[in-house]
Amino acid sequence: GAGVSQSPSNKVTEKGKDVELRCDPISGHTALYWYRQSLGQGLEFLIYFQGNSAPDKSGLPSDRFSAERTGGSVSTLTIQRTQQEDSAVYLCASSSDKRDQYFGPGTRLLVL
Amino acid sequence: DQQVKQNSPSLSVQEGRISILNCDYTNSMFDYFLWYKKYPAEGPTFLISISSIKDKNEDGRFTVFLNKSAKHLSLHIVPSQPGDSAVYFCAASDSGTYKYIFGTGTRLKVLA
Repeated sequence: GAGVSQSPSNKVTEKGKDVELRCDPISGHTALYWYRQSLGQGLEFLIYFQGNSAPDKSGLPSDRFSAERTGGSVSTLTIQRTQQEDSAVYLCASSSDKRDQYFGPGTRLLVL
Repeated sequence: DQQVKQNSPSLSVQEGRISILNCDYTNSMFDYFLWYKKYPAEGPTFLISISSIKDKNEDGRFTVFLNKSAKHLSLHIVPSQPGDSAVYFCAASDSGTYKYIFGTGTRLKVLA
């Protein structure tokens, strides 16, 4: 498939543990976004990567959250010392320009 | 402070009738708007967009109207079909940036 893929699709973890969420963007897309959707909320911007530029991390809710994008392709979102309020669907999107974003299916994270 | 608001969390419409989904925004710098459709357990998919230089954009059964003075946009689906049942998100951006602000979504149910 040529779409955006994310893994795992579901993750259940205990409070205080670290988790890593992975995103494989569409090949050739230079832009990659991470969003979070909490229950009953809209999509909350977390971080944006564009080519080799420094990422825009302005949406990350705390310093427990970090993300990297290796080789301009795959991205990993890491949440350290997870809290129950981190439970949400984490969505990744990629884009070849500033306009059209293609979303992956998301990772549903549940912190117990 | 929610810059993009979808005040109706849900909407039910009879098959064949018109569905009207509304979205309001507060930031006058926003000049590009999109609608996404989301099915359960899937990522959002792009539906239709509109630039602020237009007040209407049509694509098949879907039409988006933009009222800049009222900072309001709406998505019309006509005729509505059961397969249109999904959550619809509006999103807005200032075209000088890459950040999209999403609304909280409206769950549309089209009744057969």
